[in-house]
Amino acid sequence: DTAVSQTPKYLVTQMGNDKSIKCEQNLGHDTMYWYKQDSKKFLKIMFSYNNKELIINETVPNRFSPKSPDKAHLNLHINSLELGDSAVYFCASSQAGSVNEQFFGPGTRLTVL
Amino acid sequence: DAKTTQPPSMDCAEGRAANLPCNHSTISGNEYVYWYRQIHSQGPQYIIHGLKNNETNEMASLIITEDRKSSTLILPHATLRDTAVYYCIVRPPGQAGTALIFGKGTTLSVSS
Repeated sequence: DTAVSQTPKYLVTQMGNDKSIKCEQNLGHDTMYWYKQDSKKFLKIMFSYNNKELIINETVPNRFSPKSPDKAHLNLHINSLELGDSAVYFCASSQAGSVNEQFFGPGTRLTVL
Repeated sequence: DAKTTQPPSMDCAEGRAANLPCNHSTISGNEYVYWYRQIHSQGPQYIIHGLKNNETNEMASLIITEDRKSSTLILPHATLRDTAVYYCIVRPPGQAGTALIFGKGTTLSVSS
């Protein structure tokens, strides 16, 4: 059973295109996140949602728009893709509480040509 | 920015204990110490966390100094599959949506 799943696993596209990455968790968690890992392997938070409401939006360009249709899904839509958007994007989920362990998806490797 | 300092890399022989240090001298009283690891190309994986007391689970042990300014993650019998980047993270507990602030981590290489 996959706890946090992402689709697609690989995404290759041209500059200027619009693309979406989907994330689903079946853990019953109330909080979901998007992280970006760049070519230097630095992992940085982009967004977090709690009960479908935006909690964190870390200086991410407006071209990135997360959408949470329900608590189990947090999709990431990217407009007008740029070369610098090439990275691995990880979705994660957690349940608010004392431990707040975050479960990560397998990642989506985005390559912008 | 990450509030922790870790050595960039460490080596360990298979079957031996791997002791990964972490400095967090500015940790606040309510902040927990968390450890995650990232095996090549996979998503980060939670290992363990603690506040003041030492903790042990099926994966590892966490030793936190009395002043809480540093900690050590111990993998008692390292295997080749433990080769990964290990991240030490401090954060307050339980706040909905609080993100993990990753530093550069320690790359642990386990060899036979």
